[in-house]
Amino acid sequence: NAGVTQTPKFRVLKTGQSMTLLCAQDMNHEYMYWYRQDPGMGLRLIHYSVGEGTTAKGEVPDGYNVSRLKKQNFLLGLESAAPSQTSVYFCASIPRDRENTGELFFGEGSRLTVL
Amino acid sequence: TQLLEQSPQFLSIQEGENLTVYCNSSSVFSSLQWYRQEPGEGPVLLVTVVTGGEVKKLKRLTFQFGDARKDSSLHITAAQPGDTGLYLCAGGMNRDDKIIFGKGTRLHILP
Repeated sequence: NAGVTQTPKFRVLKTGQSMTLLCAQDMNHEYMYWYRQDPGMGLRLIHYSVGEGTTAKGEVPDGYNVSRLKKQNFLLGLESAAPSQTSVYFCASIPRDRENTGELFFGEGSRLTVL
Repeated sequence: TQLLEQSPQFLSIQEGENLTVYCNSSSVFSSLQWYRQEPGEGPVLLVTVVTGGEVKKLKRLTFQFGDARKDSSLHITAAQPGDTGLYLCAGGMNRDDKIIFGKGTRLHILP
């Protein structure tokens, strides 16, 4: 099983450029999350989705958009990248019956640098 | 506003000592998780606590969930260099399905 796969793993952008991060999971999980992690910080929730066709804002949604057109994919878009969006981005998924373990399944992370 | 406050943010102690890390909130959580993260990797789950007052042990690690389900603690007995890492608490809220994280405690065990 691949689990949660993020692409790309590394990317350098210039200010104002746009890009999309792709998260794909093969575990048939309903819930998917996008987080960012800055040096010395924990993970901050950007957007999340509780099912195909639905998305919701997290703690730091500004400057990002998301889409969940297929259950297995959760896309994170930056329309006009800013240096403040330089970070490591993590995608995670969890099944609906998360009360069993509460475990989030994480991708390996995508390191984005905006110059 | 950080809903989950972790303390301390940094901790450097000698091998063999005991330590406690705290995760506090003014909100009630349906469950709390503790993760450990190594550099360049995603967080890995250590434990989930669900019931108020619950205590779980994982070898030298003891996790406790507060009676009101607003706070949790992680106690490590006889710390070892292999315990070095970033420890994160995370909480799930039933009302909106968010799962949020604290800022983390960076632990360094000196040999």
